[in-house]
Amino acid sequence: SQQGEEDPQALSIQEGENATMNCSYKTSINNLQWYRQNSGRGLVHLILIRSNEREKHSGRLRVTLDTSKKSSSLLITASRAADTASYFCATDASGSNTGKLIFGQGTTLQVKP
Amino acid sequence: DAGVTQSPTHLIKTRGQQVTLRCSPISGHKSVSWYQQVLGQGPQFIFQYYEKEERGRGNFPDRFSARQFPNYSSELNVNALLLGDSALYLCASSSSLQGNSPLHFGNGTRLTVT
Repeated sequence: SQQGEEDPQALSIQEGENATMNCSYKTSINNLQWYRQNSGRGLVHLILIRSNEREKHSGRLRVTLDTSKKSSSLLITASRAADTASYFCATDASGSNTGKLIFGQGTTLQVKP
Repeated sequence: DAGVTQSPTHLIKTRGQQVTLRCSPISGHKSVSWYQQVLGQGPQFIFQYYEKEERGRGNFPDRFSARQFPNYSSELNVNALLLGDSALYLCASSSSLQGNSPLHFGNGTRLTVT
């Protein structure tokens, strides 16, 4: 079973607009990661935020984490057509001594030129 | 540096057959994990191997098995294939045993069971 639920399932915006996608999870975590997947290919790591962090930036990406609500959001600013992809959040369970990640079902983002 | 490589890229098998998928991790990475991704879903954890030992197993039947070799490459075997095994199988390597570092994914093997 998958821990994460992502919202929205699909998002369509114009180039230059911002895209926000949300992730909720069920159990306590050590870390939360976001990945991007272009159609039919492997996932690419975007950003990792630790459970004691509230916000993290990387280029046009901004991730927030609210452990009290068990939720995270990914904001992509000034979107480009090349940002068209599926985005997944992934968590590892608190206390886990393995690298097992639990992925959400993903948000499919379409950026129209 | 080469990324994670998987072979084959595509595979078509019939029900009841057996399949072996292969993965070479990024040089220096000792952790290899396998994930199954059904169309429209997120990846689901199958196995993690670290230093040639199984360190985690997901909720998959015993028809699924894996191993890691001394050079840290890995194989995933699936016996008695079912139609429901059709999926993209992803291999990921990491520098860490635990989930506190990024996973580096290969482009996957697309398995179709007919």
